[in-house]
Amino acid sequence: GAGVSQSPSNKVTEKGKDVELRCDPISGHTALYWYRQSLGQGLEFLIYFQGNSAPDKSGLPSDRFSAERTGGSVSTLTIQRTQQEDSAVYLCASSLKGLAGGSTYEQYFGPGTRLTVT
Amino acid sequence: KNEVEQSPQNLTAQEGEFITINCSYSVGISALHWLQQHPGGGIVSLFMLSSGKKKHGRLIATINIQEKHSSLHITASHPRDSAVYICAVRMGGGSQGNLIFGKGTKLSVKP
Repeated sequence: GAGVSQSPSNKVTEKGKDVELRCDPISGHTALYWYRQSLGQGLEFLIYFQGNSAPDKSGLPSDRFSAERTGGSVSTLTIQRTQQEDSAVYLCASSLKGLAGGSTYEQYFGPGTRLTVT
Repeated sequence: KNEVEQSPQNLTAQEGEFITINCSYSVGISALHWLQQHPGGGIVSLFMLSSGKKKHGRLIATINIQEKHSSLHITASHPRDSAVYICAVRMGGGSQGNLIFGKGTKLSVKP
């Protein structure tokens, strides 16, 4: 079956512009995660959606970053007024469920969107 | 202070060697993940475990909750195992959605 897909695969934008990154999770997966990986750095959590619950936004680095998930499926990560330090690979992952009573489920990662801010 | 520490940072091995990558963490966790990131950037989840040991093919992952330590072993290593191996933990309790990642171990297996 289809895995997690992300678009675009590459995005080059000028400093100060807004960008939108899209994630299509695996069908039926209720949990969706956004991460980023800056050059030479480890992975960093950004935001987590679980069903209809309020998202966990604790990893968003600034108020220029926001994300939404419409209809419990597709998610869009928006970065406003991009800065050069936003350049990174943005990864999306989904899992069948998120945290429920202490349980956790395996995450499946998308191929990522490489964002370059010039 | 890193809450998840991996060792070694870099590892070069000859084909056929037995490989061990270590992960130590300082927080209470509900689960630990081992991920594999290939040179092209794609990430694959290898294991998710909260206790004991799991095996898949030539890969074995173990975790010791009391010692806050996990190991990933690769038996009969092969050049196609060359990748960055990342340990990530999910903190226990509450409803946190985030994984805390180690910095990764870059493995290179020479033919």
